[in-house]
Amino acid sequence: GNSVTQMEGPVTLSEEAFLTINCTYTATGYPSLFWYVQYPGEGLQLLLKATKADDKGSNKGFEATYRKETTSFHLEKGSVQVSDSAVYFCALESTTSGTYKYIFGTGTRLKVLA
Amino acid sequence: KAGVTQTPRYLIKTRGQQVTLSCSPISGHRSVSWYQQTPGQGLQFLFEYFSETQRNKGNFPGRFSGRQFSNSRSEMNVSTLELGDSALYLCASSLRPTSGSNGELFFGEGSRLTVL
Repeated sequence: GNSVTQMEGPVTLSEEAFLTINCTYTATGYPSLFWYVQYPGEGLQLLLKATKADDKGSNKGFEATYRKETTSFHLEKGSVQVSDSAVYFCALESTTSGTYKYIFGTGTRLKVLA
Repeated sequence: KAGVTQTPRYLIKTRGQQVTLSCSPISGHRSVSWYQQTPGQGLQFLFEYFSETQRNKGNFPGRFSGRQFSNSRSEMNVSTLELGDSALYLCASSLRPTSGSNGELFFGEGSRLTVL
């Protein structure tokens, strides 16, 4: 079946450091891929998405590229800020016979130190 | 545009009791999903409703149930509460399965349930 695997956390970085959070997936067909972010005390919100191979999603300085050959969708940011401290979830949405199904990774907690 | 609203935000129950949580989706969204979030298990899918019909169900015992009303509002119920049911319960709405959706889920802030 379909699955999403993302790197274990927590990840602790200093402000202005480079961030990579790895995400790989297993799916049949051509799923859409997403990164969601959850700030403390809040629900999840969409950070970025990509719907087909080689698409790059970007938002708020974060980027991720849909790599079908490596079945990956790694999240990157060139210079993190304290305000980026949150939990990040990789997810995929697959479609089978008109039915949409979401699968989330386990989440990676990021802590950025000033 | 109002977001997804979940009530109550916090509640404390004792083992054996039952609880009902409510979710009001974004206006125009007819699909509502429920998730359980715990530190150890991450985000676990409970069920999804569309047009008052359950379309998908996760791997949870029958103590967990839900329903959706004609106005798309949804409730989930947990009966005979156990300590392990303590979690943040998140509701999400979307425009799926309409073609106008880009697949984005819109989440509420959650209902935090503590079972003593």
